[in-house]
Amino acid sequence: ETGVTQSPTHLIKTRGQQVTLRCSSQSGHNTVSWYQQALGQGPQFIFQYYREEENGRGNFPPRFSGLQFPNYSSELNVNALELDDSALYLCASSLGLAGGYEQYFGPGTRLTVT
Amino acid sequence: AQTVTQSQPEMSVQEAETVTLSCTYDTSESDYYLFWYKQPPSRQMILVIRQEAYKQQNATENRFSVNFQKAAKSFSLKISDSQLGDAAMYFCAYRSVNDKIIFGKGTRLHILP
Repeated sequence: ETGVTQSPTHLIKTRGQQVTLRCSSQSGHNTVSWYQQALGQGPQFIFQYYREEENGRGNFPPRFSGLQFPNYSSELNVNALELDDSALYLCASSLGLAGGYEQYFGPGTRLTVT
Repeated sequence: AQTVTQSQPEMSVQEAETVTLSCTYDTSESDYYLFWYKQPPSRQMILVIRQEAYKQQNATENRFSVNFQKAAKSFSLKISDSQLGDAAMYFCAYRSVNDKIIFGKGTRLHILP
C-alpha cells in the first residue's frame, strides 16, 4: 500500500509568481485536506476535497485554490505569492469525511517565497 | 470557534522517564475527536493516539496514554519509558464530527540520554 506522497519536496519562488503543489492520496482514499504550517506553528487548515468537490475551507484568501482529480490526487495552487506564504504545505488523505477516519499525512512541500 | 492551546512550547525528559504534555481546548460541541500527532525532523505528521469524546475510557497505545477530562476540556498525553526516538514536535488536535482538524502550536520534546 502506497502512502501519501507530495511533490516537489522543496520549492523557491519569487513574490508575485504562481505555484502548484501536488499530492497523491493513499490508495482507496477519496478525501484530501491541505494545511499550511508556518515555521514554529501548528498546521492550519486551507481546504478539503471530497470526491472532486471542495468541502470546507479555512480562513485563506481566494488566491489559494485547489483541484481534486478522478483518481483522488489533488493540487494546491497559490497565485500572486506573498512573502508570508513561505511555509510547509501538508496534504492528508482519508477514507471519507467523517471525523473518525484517520488522516494520513504526506511529507510536505517546503515553499520559500523571496 | 474551536481553539486548541498547548501551554508548553518545549519540554525535556530523561530517557526511560515519564513525561506529560498538556493540552486544553475550547468547544461548544458535545461530539468530537481529539488527537495527538508527532512530527519528527523528517516533517511527516504521524498519529500517536486518538480519543472519541463520547468514550469515557482514556485511550492507550503502548507507551502512550491520555488523560481526557471532558468537563475541564483537557487532553494531556503521557509518554512512559521515554526513548530517544520520541524526540519530536507534538501537536494536540481537535476535530468535529465532519470538519477540519484544528491544531495547537505544538510542544517540542527533547529526550536527554
